[in-house]
Amino acid sequence: DARVTQTPRHKVTEMGQEVTMRCQPILGHNTVFWYRQTMMQGLELLAYFRNRAPLDDSGMPKDRFSAEMPDATLATLKIQPSEPRDSAVYFCASGWAGSGSSYEQYFGPGTRLTVT
Amino acid sequence: KQEVTQIPAALSVPEGENLVLNCSFTDSAIYNLQWFRQDPGKGLTSLLLIQSSQREQTSGRLNASLDKSSGRSTLYIAASQPGDSATYLCAVRPGSSNTGKLIFGQGTTLQVKP
Repeated sequence: DARVTQTPRHKVTEMGQEVTMRCQPILGHNTVFWYRQTMMQGLELLAYFRNRAPLDDSGMPKDRFSAEMPDATLATLKIQPSEPRDSAVYFCASGWAGSGSSYEQYFGPGTRLTVT
Repeated sequence: KQEVTQIPAALSVPEGENLVLNCSFTDSAIYNLQWFRQDPGKGLTSLLLIQSSQREQTSGRLNASLDKSSGRSTLYIAASQPGDSATYLCAVRPGSSNTGKLIFGQGTTLQVKP
């Protein structure tokens, strides 16, 4: 049963600390997305990758957020330094993008981040 | 800029009722539209995906329709059950996308009372 995995599931940290969230996409998928969900803003796209290359990270605060794909099985989202307003649930999703693809995305369970 | 709106924000119905959730989008140039379900504290589960060339898709008690020209989609749930209680999210893929980027609505939170 292929699924997207995310770690950690929950993270509580103090303001100013670095936070790293990890995602393992479904094997064979070539696109990875990072979303943030808050009550006020709903689901927002932060960044996405195709074939490990970043295509768009315009949704991310550049001064503190960074997203990478060191290899095809791992995507990371880092926040440094973290702030209370970063408290949210961060979702990773993966999918296949190619000729004739429906581009359907499969979501991970999310990382609930609380910054105090 | 594409915007997706879902009305109502919340809905409470007695068990057994048929119901309709609404989704509207401002730019009709979409690749496809996807409906998701989200349970409290959980991730998103894909329910139905409708290609831009399709009018509807069905899965069990769920039926999703798409009217691209008017910028609307509906999710019809037949014979609702308490287990259907969740937040339902609508998302569109812009027509220009070659990666599947999704733009989400704010969701409709459904409560089905026994």
